[in-house]
Amino acid sequence: DVKVTQSSRYLVKRTGEKVFLECVQDMDHENMFWYRQDPGLGLRLIYFSYDVKMKEKGDIPEGYSVSREKKERFSLILESASTNQTSMYLCAITGQANYGYTFGSGTRLTVV
Amino acid sequence: EDKVVQSPLSLVVHEGDTVTLNCSYEVTNFRSLLWYKQEKKAPTFLFMLTSSGIEKKSGRLSSILDKKELFSILNITATQTGDSAIYLCAVEAQGGSEKLVFGKGTKLTVNP
Repeated sequence: DVKVTQSSRYLVKRTGEKVFLECVQDMDHENMFWYRQDPGLGLRLIYFSYDVKMKEKGDIPEGYSVSREKKERFSLILESASTNQTSMYLCAITGQANYGYTFGSGTRLTVV
Repeated sequence: EDKVVQSPLSLVVHEGDTVTLNCSYEVTNFRSLLWYKQEKKAPTFLFMLTSSGIEKKSGRLSSILDKKELFSILNITATQTGDSAIYLCAVEAQGGSEKLVFGKGTKLTVNP
């Protein structure tokens, strides 16, 4: 089975801190995605990457950046965390054909 | 802009009831529609639909797609408390990036 690992399940950070969320896959998939999920708003795409060093903005990229130096790792960076970035962050990759995404277990980030 | 609308946003039923969840979409160059179930953490895959009128079934869950009317339904028969979850609908457009656009989800609560 494809495995997507997010390094932290829960994080608490202070306003203004630089925050790194890591996502690692154990397969050789090109496409990786970062979403945030908020009650009443659903999942919204922040950034995605279709290859090493390649990235594209999603629907809500403001306040975020990403890094993909190796194929298996896709990092989401909050340059200066703010309270409105408190959310559940989900990493996903495209998995086997006809199975859509495989998601990581999520990181619940609280910015205080 | 691609759009996915789910209804209802929340639903409370009793064990044994049958429920129907709705998903309508507007997307350029439709490729597929997917349903996910999300309990405490990451969404898990239920169905991928690409062709109209062909029902997909898994146990008590089934889903069908209507590409002419641009909607899909997810049926759950003889509901159980373990069916309590958020059900997410997502669509994928053709274009190579494989990114999904999600609806806001339907929160289903099944009471004993």
